Amino acid sequence: QITLKESGPTLVKPTQTLTLTCTFSGFSLSTSGVGVGWIRQPPGKALEWLALIYWDDDKRYSPSLKSRLTITKDTSKNQVVLTMTNMDPVDTATYYCAHRRGYYDSSGYGPWGQGTLVTVSS
Amino acid sequence: QSVLTQPPSVSAAPGQKVTISCSGSSSNIGNNYVSWYQQLPGTAPKLLIYENNKRPSGIPDRFSGSKSGTSATLGITGLQTGDEADYYCGTWDSSLRGVFGGGTKLTVL
Repeated sequence: QITLKESGPTLVKPTQTLTLTCTFSGFSLSTSGVGVGWIRQPPGKALEWLALIYWDDDKRYSPSLKSRLTITKDTSKNQVVLTMTNMDPVDTATYYCAHRRGYYDSSGYGPWGQGTLVTVSS
Repeated sequence: QSVLTQPPSVSAAPGQKVTISCSGSSSNIGNNYVSWYQQLPGTAPKLLIYENNKRPSGIPDRFSGSKSGTSATLGITGLQTGDEADYYCGTWDSSLRGVFGGGTKLTVL
């Protein structure tokens, strides 16, 4: 059974850096084809894709946020870490990590973590 | 503004069938698989359909997916009140990023 869980601060100040950790079980990020993505959802709004890391450490980022995002993995700890710099109140959202379902970039994500609400406010 | 276009809302009576459309372009849906997600109020999204028309284990066959050209459709038959949720489509884009639709709120009247 695959499970994922996000952890990190619930409140950050503007201009600070956000660091979120996704801890997962039921699969290994060293297995060929595996990927873990980050997706966020502002309150009452739609899903927004942020980043994806592959088993071979290749990475993809949302072009609009690429300069602010870094995704890394620690295979031994079964963790994926997302950092986002220069946080702004518009970045207030629930942040999810999710397992990429298949081998292809567009295969889909499932399951998802429960999400963690991050509020950006001074 | 989401890359993929979905109707904001759809509704139907219990027991009926409903379809939700997702429109994109050749740079996304036209050349990639489409996935569908159900988000019940206050919960994380759940994968309903992946790779256009495949259902993960545990997803009832009342849910189906199809794709034609640059559009995709989610179908739900035998509607239940428990199906009331937001539904999102997703795919990959030629700009090497994931993209989602704006979401569709399903109301079961």
